[in-house]
Amino acid sequence: DVKVTQSSRYLVKRTGEKVFLECVQDMDHENMFWYRQDPGLGLRLIYFSYDVKMKEKGDIPEGYSVSREKKERFSLILESASTNQTSMYLCATDDLLASGTQYFGPGTRLLVL
Amino acid sequence: GENVEQHPSTLSVQEGDSAVIKCTYSDSASNYFPWYKQELGKGPQLIIDIRSNVGEKKDQRIAVTLNKTAKHFSLHITETQPEDSAVYFCAASTGTGGFKTIFGAGTRLFVKA
Repeated sequence: DVKVTQSSRYLVKRTGEKVFLECVQDMDHENMFWYRQDPGLGLRLIYFSYDVKMKEKGDIPEGYSVSREKKERFSLILESASTNQTSMYLCATDDLLASGTQYFGPGTRLLVL
Repeated sequence: GENVEQHPSTLSVQEGDSAVIKCTYSDSASNYFPWYKQELGKGPQLIIDIRSNVGEKKDQRIAVTLNKTAKHFSLHITETQPEDSAVYFCAASTGTGGFKTIFGAGTRLFVKA
């Protein structure tokens, strides 16, 4: 089974802090994604990566950056956290050959005060 | 931009009844339609999917139908059980790799015992 783990289940940060969310997968998948989940809005793509050191902006990249130094690890960075970034963050992976099925981590619920 | 509309946003059924969730997509290039179930405190998990060359697919109590002409697809759950209570997301993807997967806003299903 694919296992996707996220470094924290819950985080509380203050406005202006730099926040790191980490995601690790154990299935050697090429693609990794960061989504943000908000009530009534579904899952919105922040960034994705299709290879080490490669990244592409998703639909809502503003205020975020990402890092993929190793194939199994994909980090989401909030350079200066703001209250409107309070949300559930979901990491996912995707096997290029499996035609689009995504495997999600358990999520990190971030509260920015 | 492209989008996926999902209805209803909340659905409450009696145990043993059927539940139907409907989605409409806008990108005619979409050819892969997964459904995910998200239980409390967990990330979404794939429960069934369908490709554009198939009109219907069934897996035990769960079925999905696709009408490509109308750009509609639906999830049907029969003989619902309390453990079916969760948030369900539909999605539409334009191909392998999940690069362009758009999710619906989600349906919260309550199954009353």
